[in-house]
Amino acid sequence: EDKVVQSPLSLVVHEGDTVTLNCSYEVTNFRSLLWYKQEKKAPTFLFMLTSSGIEKKSGRLSSILDKKELFSILNITATQTGDSAIYLCAVGVGGTSYGKLTFGQGTILTVHP
Amino acid sequence: DGGITQSPKYLFRKEGQNVTLSCEQNLNHDAMYWYRQDPGQGLRLIYYSQIVNDFQKGDIAEGYSVSREKKESFPLTVTSAQKNPTAFYLCASSAKTSGKGDTQYFGPGTRLTVL
Repeated sequence: EDKVVQSPLSLVVHEGDTVTLNCSYEVTNFRSLLWYKQEKKAPTFLFMLTSSGIEKKSGRLSSILDKKELFSILNITATQTGDSAIYLCAVGVGGTSYGKLTFGQGTILTVHP
Repeated sequence: DGGITQSPKYLFRKEGQNVTLSCEQNLNHDAMYWYRQDPGQGLRLIYYSQIVNDFQKGDIAEGYSVSREKKESFPLTVTSAQKNPTAFYLCASSAKTSGKGDTQYFGPGTRLTVL
């Protein structure tokens, strides 16, 4: 059975702190790993990673994948209250060009002023 | 404006009733998905469809049914056989584009409460 595990499950920090969110996976036929941010309703896409060691960056957010150790991290530097959200990690599996994603439980991030 | 719409936003149902949740997209995406989200849990896949008139069961399909008669539309019916239907339901779609097919885009969700 495919499994995606995120840690920590929740995290409380103050503005300006740097946070690291973790995602480990055990799946057959790995294709990609994705990070989403969910504030109130719809998850919004952050990154998709397919190759090890290549950092993806967008402003204060960055992510990297290690396919040998089967994990990814999402870093957020200089956190702001607007970063408060649930961060979801998902792994794409299967042999077709698109298809199923298996999600982790999510990490609830709370940033206090 | 391209995107995914879901209706209604909130839905209340009495036990024993079937209800249908709507999902429409104008992104010209081939694939569409339905997920369920419970508090403290991630998203769990109910059904997905990669082409019109075809769909596959996800991890928790029991008590649900879907149809895909048009590319733009993928309605989900929650039947009375679903034992614990109170949850937040999310619809998503993705394009069949090399290297991008895994990126799913989500609608705003429907919160279903069974009274």
